[in-house]
Amino acid sequence: NAGVTQTPKFQVLKTGQSMTLQCAQDMNHEYMSWYRQDPGMGLRLIHYSVGAGITDQGEVPNGYNVSRSTTEDFPLRLLSAAPSQTSVYFCASSSQGGNTIYFGEGSWLTVV
Amino acid sequence: DQQVKQNSPSLSVQEGRISILNCDYTNSMFDYFLWYKKYPAEGPTFLISISSIKDKNEDGRFTVFLNKSAKHLSLHIVPSQPGDSAVYFCAASITGNQFYFGTGTSLTVIP
Repeated sequence: NAGVTQTPKFQVLKTGQSMTLQCAQDMNHEYMSWYRQDPGMGLRLIHYSVGAGITDQGEVPNGYNVSRSTTEDFPLRLLSAAPSQTSVYFCASSSQGGNTIYFGEGSWLTVV
Repeated sequence: DQQVKQNSPSLSVQEGRISILNCDYTNSMFDYFLWYKKYPAEGPTFLISISSIKDKNEDGRFTVFLNKSAKHLSLHIVPSQPGDSAVYFCAASITGNQFYFGTGTSLTVIP
């Protein structure tokens, strides 16, 4: 029962480095999204996708890139890491109009 | 601008008593509302939801109330248990697509 799987769980980056957070779901969900959680800010939507080949920006997209080449995978790329991107990142998925969103276990990212 | 707001960052309740968590929203297009529970170092997990056509939904110890005219929903936990100690996020969606989350309320149930 994998659900939504995120890797890596923990990562430390130096300012200016790039990296990709991986996300995969095995529920055949059309909708996938990335959130970041910061103290006092809740869960903020970074990017989302309503299906393969379709992506769109959420509330806080700057500094991040996404692509959706398959239904299962939705990687999040940090182009040039900044300390402000130190956060916990959650990938999520849901079926179209399914009204329930399922989260991965999170990826803790520290940018020094 | 935050479309879903949880104005109480924290709440402490005695075991066995009622916990009431509140949430306000601004977008009248929201048609589905959810509550998620999050333990440290884990992802949020779905708890309970309510459609905008209802005003109450109950699941065991958890009840969600929706007041559309006030754009307000609340989660009641009765009786509260120490295992309920977690961060609770309120969320809202339009046609089950984009989900907007509040800032969370940290609930502590004191044994």
